[in-house]
Amino acid sequence: DAKTTQPNSMESNEEEPVHLPCNHSTISGTDYIHWYRQLPSQGPEYVIHGLTSNVNNRMASLAIAEDRKSSTLILHRATLRDAAVYYCILRYSGYALNFGKGTSLLVTP
Amino acid sequence: DAGVIQSPRHEVTEMGQEVTLRCKPISGHDYLFWYRQTMMRGLELLIYFNNNVPIDDSGMPEDRFSAKMPNASFSTLKIQPSEPRDSAVYFCASSEGRSGRNEQFFGPGTRLTVL
Repeated sequence: DAKTTQPNSMESNEEEPVHLPCNHSTISGTDYIHWYRQLPSQGPEYVIHGLTSNVNNRMASLAIAEDRKSSTLILHRATLRDAAVYYCILRYSGYALNFGKGTSLLVTP
Repeated sequence: DAGVIQSPRHEVTEMGQEVTLRCKPISGHDYLFWYRQTMMRGLELLIYFNNNVPIDDSGMPEDRFSAKMPNASFSTLKIQPSEPRDSAVYFCASSEGRSGRNEQFFGPGTRLTVL
């Protein structure tokens, strides 16, 4: 399985943008890039996914490098409720998600 | 839609007892996954089903663990006999289709404590 590398932790001020990086240098052409997050004491929650082009939804934006070897999850205005562990995951098809350690995001008022 | 439903939310039992965790996936989803989360090992896949058939159970720790999916709307994960090292949060997730595009929807989890 292609692996991802994320920083262990990041910190942001409330109402500021947050850029969460992910490296996936061994990504294959058929791997989708998924982001999930897990709030304290809750199950993982889907955030966004993409293949080649940048993607936007109501929760976040996903910026994918042209060579697809890295991506960035962008939270446009962090709130205290965005404090969570964010997982960057490559998904081919039909297979379970391979969660790594993720990035623990701390949001301070 | 109620999402993925798991029961019980919390379970405390004594070593050696049988434990049964239950999951109702989202209607229409044909993939169902059981995960376990601990501080030491993080989130790890135990088993997953496609159309009620177990596809990959290589993550099941040992013979004490078994999972079934008798129909499209119900799955169980059973531990018999339970041991203290089985203490963890167990998540069930479901997904529609097998494409890499398909996201997984997780339940709230069952927190299991084995004394």
